Amino acid sequence: EVQLVESGGGLIPPGGSLRLSCAASQFSVSDNYMSWVRQAPGKGLEWVSVIYTSGTTYYADSVKGRFTISRDFSKNTLYLEMNSLRVEDTAVYYCAKNLGYFGPWGQGTLVTVSS
Amino acid sequence: DIQMTQSPSTLSASVGDRVTITCRASQSISSWLAWYQQKPGKAPNLLIYKASTLESGVPSRFSGSGSGTEFTLTISSLQPDDFATYYCQQYNGYPYTFGQGTKLEI
Repeated sequence: EVQLVESGGGLIPPGGSLRLSCAASQFSVSDNYMSWVRQAPGKGLEWVSVIYTSGTTYYADSVKGRFTISRDFSKNTLYLEMNSLRVEDTAVYYCAKNLGYFGPWGQGTLVTVSS
Repeated sequence: DIQMTQSPSTLSASVGDRVTITCRASQSISSWLAWYQQKPGKAPNLLIYKASTLESGVPSRFSGSGSGTEFTLTISSLQPDDFATYYCQQYNGYPYTFGQGTKLEI
């Protein structure tokens, strides 16, 4: 069964950094387009970033220049490096296979940016 | 950016009802539209892609239609497990955007 498991979330003060991981099983993250999508508490869904099989990346304007998406072939893991975190980055972060539409999704990891 | 607007924001219904949720795009997205179901504390679950293609394993009571700027998700006969929040999403171009959600409640 295809599975995605996120980790790395936590409580971080404004201006801090955090790296999220998304470990995949039963498929290769390097052979697929992969994305991060986030959801602020009680709010809707927001696409954050994508990485293509070629390594090309795109970001939402709200995170451009602060977040970096990457992957590790050997660990079959997707990452999201988040710098200069803001209170408004507080959300559950999901990784997902990106076929334009998203699926499957991981269970999510909560990032709370607060002093 | 393409804006996605869902209506209604909240929908009250009963088991056995036929319900329809509408999603409108601020510009044409052809058929590049997906629908998701999300339950509290869980990740979204893909229901429909390319406006009307049912994802494998999704019950046939779910159906999608539309193209261009107007789309609908229909549940033909509500089951207790269907009470959740539903989102549409366009993938015509980046940034991919979602509707604000429709909460389906009893």
